[in-house]
Amino acid sequence: GDSVTQMEGPVTLSEEAFLTINCTYTATGYPSLFWYVQYPGEGLQLLLKATKADDKGSNKGFEATYRKETTSFHLEKGSVQVSDSAVYFCALTHNNNDMRFGAGTRLTVKP
Amino acid sequence: GAVVSQHPSWVICKSGTSVKIECRSLDFQATTMFWYRQFPKQSLMLMATSNEGSKATYEQGVEKDKFLINHASLTLSTLTVTSAHPEDSSFYICSAPDRGTGELFFGEGSRLTVL
Repeated sequence: GDSVTQMEGPVTLSEEAFLTINCTYTATGYPSLFWYVQYPGEGLQLLLKATKADDKGSNKGFEATYRKETTSFHLEKGSVQVSDSAVYFCALTHNNNDMRFGAGTRLTVKP
Repeated sequence: GAVVSQHPSWVICKSGTSVKIECRSLDFQATTMFWYRQFPKQSLMLMATSNEGSKATYEQGVEKDKFLINHASLTLSTLTVTSAHPEDSSFYICSAPDRGTGELFFGEGSRLTVL
């Protein structure tokens, strides 16, 4: 069945460092791909998404490109801030209902 | 934006007791809600799909008599963990799609600890 694999954390970076969180997937057909973020004490929030190959999702300085050839959707940000500290989940779905999640990657950004 | 709220956010109970977790869509109607379970350092696993006005659909391996789901209205779904045991201790998260946009919104999660 469909599955998502993302890099294990935790990831600790200094402020203004470059961030990459790897995400690869296994799925039939052409799923939609998502990154969700969970701040401490809050629910998951949609960060960005891409619905077809070569699409780039972007939000709040974060970007991810849907790479069909490498079945990847890596999350990047050029300069992280302390406020970006959170848990990030990569996910996929075919119908926007049955969402498959990666294990989550905890990011801590130090000033 | 749309909000989904869970209650309680954390609960501690004794083994053998039952615990109810509520999931509410605060400003939109949800005919469907999803219940997930998350073990430490693992991904969210879909447990069941809650359907307003009909029975819930459970994923393979999830005991329907153990995890009772009721979707009483277009804004409320409840998950009851019956006769809880320590192995039921976990983080339970619900989500609901906004019928207008189709986007999924997630609750804050409920952490259950069974002693």
